[in-house]
Amino acid sequence: NAGVMQNPRHLVRRRGQEARLRCSPMKGHSHVYWYRQLPEEGLKFMVYLQKENIIDESGMPKERFSAEFPKEGPSILRIQQVVRGDSAAYFCASSPKTASTQETQYFGPGTRLLVL
Amino acid sequence: AQSVAQPEDQVNVAEGNPLTVKCTYSVSGNPYLFWYVQYPNRGLQFLLKYITGDNLVKGSYGFEAEFNKSQTSFHLKKPSALVSDSALYFCAVRDWGDKIIFGKGTRLHILP
Repeated sequence: NAGVMQNPRHLVRRRGQEARLRCSPMKGHSHVYWYRQLPEEGLKFMVYLQKENIIDESGMPKERFSAEFPKEGPSILRIQQVVRGDSAAYFCASSPKTASTQETQYFGPGTRLLVL
Repeated sequence: AQSVAQPEDQVNVAEGNPLTVKCTYSVSGNPYLFWYVQYPNRGLQFLLKYITGDNLVKGSYGFEAEFNKSQTSFHLKKPSALVSDSALYFCAVRDWGDKIIFGKGTRLHILP
């Protein structure tokens, strides 16, 4: 059973470009979470999605950031018009369909975004 | 709001000695607590969790954690440290709406 997959692992963008980060949850998991880790800091929650629904986006910046989890295919975190402050590691986690506060979230290897 | 605190930025332990990585929590309601480990340039790996039941929770790689309600602590422990245990360790708590709140992390150095 493959774990959570994220691609690309590393992404370099120039200021003003768009960044698209992809996450495929573990098989059988339909809950996806995105977190951001700034250098030398812990992870900060961004958004929680189920298939075709955004459940909680309280950690998402109000502008330039969006996320989706379509019926088919991976979850996408999209950052428009990137700025240097967006440079960070972005981690995706997934949990099973019966997600509750007792379920464990399993993390992917992350995408490291560098904005030049 | 739920939160966890890791008071130590770094912990140094000699190989073979017992190790402790500290974590305290602040929650309303029942705490759901986790420990994750992050190796360089890798994602987070789940170590263990406390939901309910025994206060001593056993996890992966020989790690365990003790839930202490009176001290609101959830310290991570291992009886005998290995050099390969050197990594960044995060304590975390499950918040309302299922998101996880992480501590800032403790870097563990095991000295050979």
